[in-house]
Amino acid sequence: DQQVKQNSPSLSVQEGRISILNCDYTNSMFDYFLWYKKYPAEGPTFLISISSIKDKNEDGRFTVFLNKSAKHLSLHIVPSQPGDSAVYFCAAMDSNYQLIWGAGTKLIIKP
Amino acid sequence: SQTIHQWPATLVQPVGSPLSLECTVEGTSNPNLYWYRQAAGRGLQLLFYSVGIGQISSEVPQNLSASRPQDRQFILSSKKLLLSDSGFYLCAWSVRGTHNQPQHFGDGTRLSIL
Repeated sequence: DQQVKQNSPSLSVQEGRISILNCDYTNSMFDYFLWYKKYPAEGPTFLISISSIKDKNEDGRFTVFLNKSAKHLSLHIVPSQPGDSAVYFCAAMDSNYQLIWGAGTKLIIKP
Repeated sequence: SQTIHQWPATLVQPVGSPLSLECTVEGTSNPNLYWYRQAAGRGLQLLFYSVGIGQISSEVPQNLSASRPQDRQFILSSKKLLLSDSGFYLCAWSVRGTHNQPQHFGDGTRLSIL
């Protein structure tokens, strides 16, 4: 049973436009959520996180939105750049401080 | 600043051979340490985590084991590798005892079993 779901395996976006990556979760006890970026043959790189007491967190071109009632979070990247092409993982922290991972979304930025 | 090192970067091993992957963290003390595996086309699967020297928790039953002989050293081992052990192995660390902290990853080891 997947507790964290990224339903889009891939997403293609034009350079300069907004990229929106989505993530759904099932466990209402999750209270901390993270987004990671991963290039092939490298480890994931932490991008941005959000605590459940907030509904938005912004860091430069990256903004994460959290909708607790819908159990949904999204990552917005604007403007999208070619270097943003990577696989993006959503993760949630459980009560044992362990990360529960989504399967990832491959983002392709078209020039 | 904190850094995490994993080696080797790539490894090709025959079925039935032993395995030892090493991970070390610098610039922090008493970290939580983690071993993950990413199989082809799939997400990250937590294999082991450790909150201190000699303290290992296993998340999935398998022929792999982990050890933490020193505070900032985490080792993944196997006595006899299986074909299904192929994958991308990642080590990570996080600040211990503090909630809402991200995990930080090494560059991984690509393991191919022949």
